Amino acid sequence: EVQLVESGGGLVQPGGSLRVSCAASGFTFSTHAMSWVRQAPGKGLEWVSSITGDGDITYHADSVKGRFAISRDNSKNTLHLQMNSLRADDTALYYCAKGAYYFEPWGQGTLVTVSS
Amino acid sequence: DIQMTQSPSSLSASVGDRVTITCQASQDISNYLNWYQQKPGKAPKVLIYDASNLEAGVPSRFSGSGSGTHFTFTISSLQPEDIATYYCQHYDNLRFTFGPGTKVDIK
Repeated sequence: EVQLVESGGGLVQPGGSLRVSCAASGFTFSTHAMSWVRQAPGKGLEWVSSITGDGDITYHADSVKGRFAISRDNSKNTLHLQMNSLRADDTALYYCAKGAYYFEPWGQGTLVTVSS
Repeated sequence: DIQMTQSPSSLSASVGDRVTITCQASQDISNYLNWYQQKPGKAPKVLIYDASNLEAGVPSRFSGSGSGTHFTFTISSLQPEDIATYYCQHYDNLRFTFGPGTKVDIK
């Protein structure tokens, strides 16, 4: 069974940093593109970042470009999102998801709250 | 950047009704369009990919059509378990754009 489990969320002050991770199982991780999608409380879905299977190419939404970095460790079947210079409007549930054209499956999400 | 719009933003319908949601792209996106269902408190789930292809295991009452800039998502006979928010999503070389969502509930 394909499974994605996020971790690392929490409360962080504005301007702070946080790294969230996603542990993958049930498929050949290194051959699949992966992404992060976030959802602010009560709001819609927003694509954040994507990375190719080999990790060579990454893309980020304009709203996080220069502040967030997606990476992966294929030896550990793990996806990461390093978030720096966090702002209040980065508060959201962060999902990892598998796929290059559509996302399936998704993890259960990890909540990141940016507040003083 | 390509913008995605959806209408309506919300709707109420009776069990058994046919429900239609539209998604419009700001420019031609061919058939690079997916539809997701998100039930309250749950992660989204893909229902339709490439505008009209039903994901494995998804009930056949769900369907999608369209190409270019105008797309339609249909539930042929609304069921109580279909209460959810539905999102369209465009993809292009590992860049993705979601529509704002359509909340569907039972009248």
